[in-house]
Amino acid sequence: DQQVKQNSPSLSVQEGRISILNCDYTNSMFDYFLWYKKYPAEGPTFLISISSIKDKNEDGRFTVFLNKSAKHLSLHIVPSQPGDSAVYFCAASGDSNYQLIWGAGTKLIIKP
Amino acid sequence: KAGVTQTPRYLIKTRGQQVTLSCSPISGHRSVSWYQQTPGQGLQFLFEYFSETQRNKGNFPGRFSGRQFSNSRSEMNVSTLELGDSALYLCASSVDRGTEAFFGQGTRLTVV
Repeated sequence: DQQVKQNSPSLSVQEGRISILNCDYTNSMFDYFLWYKKYPAEGPTFLISISSIKDKNEDGRFTVFLNKSAKHLSLHIVPSQPGDSAVYFCAASGDSNYQLIWGAGTKLIIKP
Repeated sequence: KAGVTQTPRYLIKTRGQQVTLSCSPISGHRSVSWYQQTPGQGLQFLFEYFSETQRNKGNFPGRFSGRQFSNSRSEMNVSTLELGDSALYLCASSVDRGTEAFFGQGTRLTVV
C-alpha cells in the first residue's frame, strides 16, 4: 500500500510559467514533508520541506503548500526554468518508524 | 564539508555473482539508509543503519544485506545477483531518521 502517492508520472510546462507538482499521502501520522529533485545518474538533492504546523513554506522560486485535511501537498515553482527539468520526489515522515516514505516521482519537463 | 560518497559509481556483474557497495556519510551523520531505484519506480527503501545497528528493513529478499562500521561508513551486499537487481543504488545520510537526508550520487549496477 503506497502511503505517499505522486499520481502524475510526468508534467510538461512552458518556460516562465508556474509548475505545480502534487503529492497525496494516506498516513495521518506524517508530520514532516520534503521535496527532492533528481537529475539522471545523480542522487536526489533536497529542495524544500514543511512541517505539519505550517501550511506554506517558501524558498525563492519554490513554495510548498500543505493541506492536512486533504492529506495533500504541492510544490509550486515560479517561474519555471529549463534547469528545473528533473524528477521531483516528495517524501514524508512521522509515523512510528520515522522513516522517510517516498513517492514514485514526477518527471518535470520545462519547454523553452 | 564533504558530501555523501558512494563507490564504485558503476559496476557490471554477471548473474549469480555477489557485489558490495560502499557509502561514506557526511561527517557527524549517524544514520545511513540505502535505496534502490529502477526505471519508472520511486525510491524503494532497503534498510537503515544507525550506530552500527540495523533499525529498519524494507521488503527485499535476504540476498540484500548491509552493515555499518563504527565510523558510520556503510556497505551493502547483494548475493546471487539476478537480472532484476540492475538498478541505481542510492545511499543517504542524515543526523537521524526522518530528518533531511543527503544523498550520494549512487552506484549504477548492471547485471548481465
